[in-house]
Amino acid sequence: DAKTTQPPSMDCAEGRAANLPCNHSTISGNEYVYWYRQIHSQGPQYIIHGLKNNETNEMASLIITEDRKSSTLILPHATLRDTAVYYCIVRFWNSGNTPLVFGKGTRLSVIA
Amino acid sequence: DSGVTQTPKHLITATGQRVTLRCSPRSGDLSVYWYQQSLDQGLQFLIQYYNGEERAKGNILERFSAQQFPDLHSELNLSSLELGDSALYFCASSEGGPLHFGNGTRLTVT
Repeated sequence: DAKTTQPPSMDCAEGRAANLPCNHSTISGNEYVYWYRQIHSQGPQYIIHGLKNNETNEMASLIITEDRKSSTLILPHATLRDTAVYYCIVRFWNSGNTPLVFGKGTRLSVIA
Repeated sequence: DSGVTQTPKHLITATGQRVTLRCSPRSGDLSVYWYQQSLDQGLQFLIQYYNGEERAKGNILERFSAQQFPDLHSELNLSSLELGDSALYFCASSEGGPLHFGNGTRLTVT
């Protein structure tokens, strides 16, 4: 799986949008971008994933650049409960049964 | 709630001992994955089973072993425990898409 680069930490004011960037410049055409988060020693929580098109669900939006070399996870209205470590991971589309490889992620602090 | 159940939640044991961690995957998921997270380390992949067979191996020590049973639950066995084995151990399952994680077993070796 390709490697990703994320900033080690970010702050966001409560109620504002949190935009978490991820670089994956060596991504190949058949690799998805996955986002997970881990809230203080709980199990990692799946957020969203995408291949080429932008994706949105009840938790977040995922914006992938046209060249697919970077993406942004958007939490539209951050709350204190969104404070967590966020992981961006790339994974082959047909690797339905292969493990995820976690990097260091971005520690997001939502501030009141 | 991810649907993945791990027991026990906490485990305290002494060096040299052996423990077994249990994982019940989400209904219908054939793949089970085990991860270790130490205080100063990230999430490290240990091993994966798919429908009872070992599928992939990561940074798993020889003192550790796992298996997946016919009902698809999995156990991770840790033996000859050392202080450095103190960590959170997570299990995840999938049906081929995203992995869904349990809330882990916190192992403390004294």
